[in-house]
Amino acid sequence: KQEVTQIPAALSVPEGENLVLNCSFTDSAIYNLQWFRQDPGKGLTSLLLIQSSQREQTSGRLNASLDKSSGRSTLYIAASQPGDSATYLCAVFGQLTFGSGTQLTVLP
Amino acid sequence: GAGVSQSPRYKVAKRGQDVALRCDPISGHVSLFWYQQALGQGPEFLTYFQNEAQLDKSGLPSDRFFAERPEGSVSTLKIQRTQQEDSAVYLCASSLGVFKYFGPGTRLTVT
Repeated sequence: KQEVTQIPAALSVPEGENLVLNCSFTDSAIYNLQWFRQDPGKGLTSLLLIQSSQREQTSGRLNASLDKSSGRSTLYIAASQPGDSATYLCAVFGQLTFGSGTQLTVLP
Repeated sequence: GAGVSQSPRYKVAKRGQDVALRCDPISGHVSLFWYQQALGQGPEFLTYFQNEAQLDKSGLPSDRFFAERPEGSVSTLKIQRTQQEDSAVYLCASSLGVFKYFGPGTRLTVT
């Protein structure tokens, strides 16, 4: 059974800092991996999707990488802003197996 | 509508009551998914529909949970004889291709 782990569970950084969120998965035979953002009381917003044949995807200040052989993905956020504060979840495709998320707080 | 909608947004039920949670997917989306998210955890898969066919219900935690999508659009997740451990946010997602679009969820509290 696929297991997805996210470390750290919570992270607090000052505004402007670059940061990395980590996601690891146990079964490397994945189809794709998706990063989501979840704001309190709201649903999930898809940020980036990386196909299994890709190594990274970029969108604005976000960059996600995928290393299937080591079972890891990272989400890099450049020049963080208070509006980036949310919980970030990674999920492995099939029916989507989610990690428990990293709660990010960016302090102004 | 522009996105996936769910109703009610909040539901309080007494233990033993039956509840029904509704999901309106994005028009034309073939696939529909239900997830359960406990506090502080990531969502966990419950069930999946392609049009009106329920192709995977392996994540339903017990036979008290039942989902349907009779006309291939709106879906209802029904929980019978609710128990305290059913308290969670229930998320619905729809998709046409690879990307899944999530609704805001229904927060169920069983007292």
